[in-house]
Amino acid sequence: AQRVTQPEKLLSVFKGAPVELKCNYSYSGSPELFWYVQYSRQRLQLLLRHISRESIKGFTADLNKGETSFHLKKPFAQEEDSAMYYCALRADTPLVFGKGTRLSVIA
Amino acid sequence: DAGVTQSPTHLIKTRGQQVTLRCSPKSGHDTVSWYQQALGQGPQFIFQYYEEEERQRGNFPDRFSGHQFPNYSSELNVNALLLGDSALYLCASSLEGVGAKNIQYFGAGTRLSVL
Repeated sequence: AQRVTQPEKLLSVFKGAPVELKCNYSYSGSPELFWYVQYSRQRLQLLLRHISRESIKGFTADLNKGETSFHLKKPFAQEEDSAMYYCALRADTPLVFGKGTRLSVIA
Repeated sequence: DAGVTQSPTHLIKTRGQQVTLRCSPKSGHDTVSWYQQALGQGPQFIFQYYEEEERQRGNFPDRFSGHQFPNYSSELNVNALLLGDSALYLCASSLEGVGAKNIQYFGAGTRLSVL
């Protein structure tokens, strides 16, 4: 069965501090992994997908198949990064989401 | 391009009633997926429509049904509403197929409250 686990419901960091949002998945094959973000009063939108291997808004995420993880990282958090972040897996079904992590960046 | 649009924004129903939610996909997209997002949870996949047929289905009962029209727009129907059906219903559209990016773009959702 496919499953995505985001162990932290809430993560608070100070502005300028590094950020790491954790995501672990379970799937026996080779899934596609995504990070979606939802800013206040906005719709869910794609932030990153692992096959693109790009940096968006300073965020990066590396797929670690050995640890079955896809953690989201940013070296220096900004106040505008405060949002709800969802990790998602695409394999047998379109998207399986984790429960999300709320990131709060404190000025 | 207005992106994915959903209607209505909010809906209040009572137990046992039936409801229809609507979705217009992003221009150029041919596939529509529906998700249910309960409070404090991530979106959960209900089903996906492509070429006017249900292509995939998640773990939802038959009370949940859908339709896709020739213009790619879609409807989600829920019969015999239960209190537990109260949630945000999200529609996502994408362009599927070989060579397509298969990225899902989400609408703002319909908030359904069942009393």
